[in-house]
Amino acid sequence: GAGVSQTPSNKVTEKGKYVELRCDPISGHTALYWYRQSLGQGPEFLIYFQGTGAADDSGLPNDRFFAVRPEGSVSTLKIQRTERGDSAVYLCASSLMNPGSNTGELFFGEGSRLTVL
Amino acid sequence: AQKVTQAQTEISVVEKEDVTLDCVYETRDTTYYLFWYKQPPSGELVFLIRRNSFDEQNEISGRYSWNFQKSTSSFNFTITASQVVDSAVYFCALSAIYNQGGKLIFGQGTELSVKP
Repeated sequence: GAGVSQTPSNKVTEKGKYVELRCDPISGHTALYWYRQSLGQGPEFLIYFQGTGAADDSGLPNDRFFAVRPEGSVSTLKIQRTERGDSAVYLCASSLMNPGSNTGELFFGEGSRLTVL
Repeated sequence: AQKVTQAQTEISVVEKEDVTLDCVYETRDTTYYLFWYKQPPSGELVFLIRRNSFDEQNEISGRYSWNFQKSTSSFNFTITASQVVDSAVYFCALSAIYNQGGKLIFGQGTELSVKP
């Protein structure tokens, strides 16, 4: 497809389990972002990649959260020892380049809804 | 610290009414970007507009218009002659220019319901 693709769309897991969420950005987009959105709230920034490197990971809540983008395209958000408070929709976005250089438009996926029981 | 406040949690209007969504922000940066995004029921955030802090000109795009007032730290969004398809959650967001617009601070969102 032409848009940002996120899988799985829904994930239910038990407390303490490990989870991986995948993001496939729009082809050619060098910048990739992860956000987390809790019910009734606005998205909250987690991490930003420019190419393969994490340019800003200041939003990751703790060391249970980790993200990679080894080839500068697909990214995986990894959550270890999940807790009930991790339940949220995890949104991925991509853009052509650093958004300061263009209209600033981030293209978002539909998100991965994570439920930790 | 940066903060975005959207005081209106929910707004309900009847089709063809005009509606204004309020956004107030806080930042210590002298230059920054402001954004509006739309989130329909599908969940995918859709970009509507970005403004630079040094450009206070109001903007109109079809039925949409934006009023940026630096003196009151507000960036309000008006939909003229609302339609049922405008029903969605609308988010105002802020970023520092040194972040080059990628790390957005979002408000809590305003859920707009347009009834036929």
